[in-house]
Formats: sequence, structure tokens, C-alpha cells
Amino acid sequence: DIVMTQSPLSLPVTPGEPASISCRSSQSLLHSNGYIYLDWYVQKPGQSPQVLIYMGSNRASGVPDRFSGSGAGTDFTLKISRVEAEDVGVYYCMQTVQGRTFGQGTKVEIK
Amino acid sequence: QVQLQESGPGLVKPSETLSLTCTVSGGSLTNYYWSWIRQPTGKGLEWIGYIYYSGNTNYSPSLKSRLTMSVDTSKNQFSLKLTSVTAADTAVYYCARLLATAVPGATYNYHYIHVWGKGTTVTVSS
Repeated sequence: DIVMTQSPLSLPVTPGEPASISCRSSQSLLHSNGYIYLDWYVQKPGQSPQVLIYMGSNRASGVPDRFSGSGAGTDFTLKISRVEAEDVGVYYCMQTVQGRTFGQGTKVEIK
Repeated sequence: QVQLQESGPGLVKPSETLSLTCTVSGGSLTNYYWSWIRQPTGKGLEWIGYIYYSGNTNYSPSLKSRLTMSVDTSKNQFSLKLTSVTAADTAVYYCARLLATAVPGATYNYHYIHVWGKGTTVTVSS
């Protein structure tokens, strides 16, 4: 099984400042087609999760461009260029190259 | 737009079978993958598995021996059965629809979770 490890697990942020979440996988998420098989989701308080990024770096429809995904092999990053108050929630990475496995989640909260 | 609604018993006894149904409204099951995900109270998300509308399945290795998913296209529903439950199966259970997107240069698609139900809480307790 592929294990996904996120850091930090808690991230206090200041509105207007950038934020970054790391996600590491125990095996490469590079598919034989050359694309990264990793998604990012956010679960806002009291809500069901929603997709932010798919295939490593593709923003889902309706996702603000302040969110970006990057990475290769086993190391990946979700970046928020300028955090807004509405970005509070728990962020999860999920690998999709071999079944599906979520990371533990990173709780983003306003300082 | 498509909406998903989970339903089933909120309380299941240990060693019994947990059965949940997801009813899809505003869209068809056809040509989509459908998934179950769960979240123990105060914890992270755990992928349970997915099923294609035709019945093909992919289960989490840790749950595979106890898990059965099925689709009923006539009722626009898909279901989950988890046998021999324990307290560790207590969680909010979400159903979800996967969206297909083209993979450049490939003849197959990439699928990501696009629509989620609101979730239903299942407690395993005697």
C-alpha cells in the first residue's frame, strides 16, 4: 500500500500571506503515461470535502487561481499564494496511482 | 446538478453487516464511477472503494475481505455492504461521484472525486 505523509499537520496562517503544505508518498506517483496521479481536497468546517487540484497540478473547475499544485516523484506541494479567511479547513492529498490513499490532513487556521 | 444522498441505519451491532445506499438525483449512474469514503470522528478521510456503473469494482485492500459494492441503475442507486463490523468501523460515510478527464495522449481517462454527498453517521455499538 502507498502511504501518504503530510506536513505540517497544523498550519496557522495570516490572511494575505502565502501558505504551503507538503505531501510525500512512499512510492512514486508518476504514472507510466508521464503524469502525476495525485489530487488535493479541502474539507471546510461542517462541509463535505471538495476537490482543488487533480493530476498533481490541474485546478478543478471553479477553484481560485491562488491555489496551485506542484511536485514530482514522491514529493508534492500545495501552495496558496495569498490566504483568505475562507481557506480555513483541513487539506488532504490523495494518491490515485494504486487504488486511492489519503494523507492524514493538514489543518489550516487563521492566526 | 447531480446530488447524492446517503441512507441507512445509524446504529449497527458489532459483528453484524453495515448496509448503506446512495441515491443519485439530477443525473444518471451511467458512464460514471461511484465511490465510498469514510471519516472516523475527528480523524482523516479513508477511501473505501469505487464501482463503475457496469459493476466493475476496486476496493481498499484493508477492507476488501468484508466489502461488497453494487449498483442498481433502475433505482439510480449504488450501495455498500461491510460485514463483521467492529467499533473501528464507526465513522461518517460519504458517497461520491468521480469525474472523468482526458489524459493527453492516452486512450483512457483520469478520474477524481467531483461530487460528494453530505455524509451519514454510522455507529457500531451493542
